[in-house]
Order: sequence, then C-alpha cells, then structure tokens
Amino acid sequence: EVQLVESGGGLVQPGGSLRLSCAASGFTFSSHWMHWFRQAPGKGLVWVSRINSDGSSTSYADSVKGRFTISRDNAKNMLYLQMNSLRAEDTAVYYCTRELGILWGQGTMVTVSS
Amino acid sequence: DIVLTQTPLSLSVTPGQPASISCKSSQSLLHSDGNTYLYWYLQKPGQSPQLLIYEVSSRFSGVPDRFSGSGSGTDFTLKISRVEAEDVGVYYCMQGIHLPYTFGQGTKLESK
Repeated sequence: EVQLVESGGGLVQPGGSLRLSCAASGFTFSSHWMHWFRQAPGKGLVWVSRINSDGSSTSYADSVKGRFTISRDNAKNMLYLQMNSLRAEDTAVYYCTRELGILWGQGTMVTVSS
Repeated sequence: DIVLTQTPLSLSVTPGQPASISCKSSQSLLHSDGNTYLYWYLQKPGQSPQLLIYEVSSRFSGVPDRFSGSGSGTDFTLKISRVEAEDVGVYYCMQGIHLPYTFGQGTKLESK
C-alpha cells in the first residue's frame, strides 16, 4: 500500500526538542522530493521544509530556519524532522508529503507547553 | 512571500448546485519552464488534506471530473459543477513556485 506514516509527536516544554519520523512505503522513496507541512489547531496549512531526493538540498520556512533540520534515509525509506528550541507557536499537526502534496500522511501532533 | 487570497471564505451549497472558489496571487505563478504552479487541496473534516488539482487545471488521479481548475498568471478558480455531500470541507489553494510555498486562507464548503 502506498502510504506515509508519521510518528514522534507529543508534549514538550518550550525550549525542548523532538524528532519526527515519516515512514514511506509502496513507492520508490528515493526518487521523490519530500516535504513537511504543519497546521496549528483550527488554522490553515503552512509549508515547513523540503528535501530533494538524495538529501543534498534542503529549504526551510523562515519561522523554523536554524531550529529545525530535515533529513532522510533512503535505505530505510524514512524522512525526519529534528525540531529544536521549540516554541509555543510550533504547536501543530505535522504532515509529511510526497512531492507537493501528492501523498499525505495522517499527521502527528506536536504540543509545546509548560 | 507570495500572498494568496481566497474568496469566499465560506460557502453553503445545496447538493447538485455548482460552486466556485477564487484564488488570487500577489505575484505571477508562471514559471520560466512554462508551467504554472498552482495547486488545490481539500481537507475533509478530521482528515489530512488531499490533492485535487495540480498546475492550475490537471485533475489528480481519482478526482471526480466535477472538479475543474482554471486561470493563469495571478487569478485562479476552482469549480465544482455539481456539489455532492462528500465535497464538504476546507479548500486551499497553494503556490509552488516561490519559496516559501504559501497557501490561501482556506474556503469552508458546507452542504445546505
């Protein structure tokens, strides 16, 4: 089955860290650019980061630049988002996608609160 | 950043009637490669978003033909020829030409 499954979300204190994972299956993961999007509770969609197919090129939204790092392991069909120095405004459901939203995961909730 | 402005922000439609959503961009979305990178997504209640239309007017696999996209440059439209109950949710346009990729505010479609 072609799918993306995110994991790693949870409750973290401001200033803390989390690493989100996205497991890909059913397609040739190494051939595709991958993205992270997020959606704060009751709000709209926001693009967070992207990585090219071999992991050599990355881009970030200004709001997360310097704090978040996107990476991938093509041998394991895995996408990651390392999130450091988390803030309350990072609270959201985080989605990984294949290309620009061709395929979405179910999302993982990140809550930053003391 | 490119600003996408969707109108209306909410829509209440009787099943079987048409619906139309506008998305206006603050900059042209025409790429030098000749493609225009404007996408439409639907987020049904409690679900992840799903791709409906890519590059202005191409329907994604499995999307019913009652959905159509049109436009060019900075003005785009999503049309539903005959709304069905399963079409309720929030519709978003998104530009994929300039980083950061940005979305419209979303249009909530409800069934009367």
